[in-house]
Amino acid sequence: SSELTQDPAVSVALGQTVRITCQGDSLRSYYASWYQQKPGQAPVLVIYGKNNRPSGIPDRFSGSSSGNTASLTITGAQAEDEADYYCNSRDSSGNRVVFGGGTKLTVL
Amino acid sequence: QLQLQESGPGLVKPSETLSLTCTVSGGSISSSSYYWGWIRQPPGKGLEWIGSIYYSGSTYYNPSLKSRVTISVDTSKNQFSLKLSSVTAADTAVYYCARHSLYASKVDWFDPWGQGTLVTVSS
Repeated sequence: SSELTQDPAVSVALGQTVRITCQGDSLRSYYASWYQQKPGQAPVLVIYGKNNRPSGIPDRFSGSSSGNTASLTITGAQAEDEADYYCNSRDSSGNRVVFGGGTKLTVL
Repeated sequence: QLQLQESGPGLVKPSETLSLTCTVSGGSISSSSYYWGWIRQPPGKGLEWIGSIYYSGSTYYNPSLKSRVTISVDTSKNQFSLKLSSVTAADTAVYYCARHSLYASKVDWFDPWGQGTLVTVSS
């Protein structure tokens, strides 16, 4: 089992805002990073650290953190945002990189 | 731009050693700013970090795999490699290599990723 917990599935209406969460005790000490993965493709980094977007990632993607929960927010979800989303951080010891179990986002 | 490409056998027999190489192009693996990592994803499942290496050869591994994993680097070829010994069907997965960034011991991220290579463990 992962030390980072994500909801298995989330849905959002086209153009609406959705928040995908990642919970874990280690998130009180470490920031999360977020990845988007479409079927048959490698993951793509969308947010890292406090709230940093790599070049080429639309500004509708943003990150935040509070207590033991990190969040990825998509403001104005588009059809092309339908994908699996994974968070990553460290475990509680800080010695292991861990990933959340992933959230399947459906855009209705 | 930086690109990574995995290569190696797609089929490995149980109890044997899985060997993969990641070739980095468009940048130097000897950059002091980055580690280089391996991550795997069993079919239909989530991501699992295997381990990472610095260009100097310094490594750190997932404790759950540490006894079976060796990651090495060849700076002259701009490559790093993964060996996973005593494989079983549970090691069947898509294996990805990626550049691993760390900042202030507070955040890790992997970017970019290779396209991934499926390794099946079967007799």
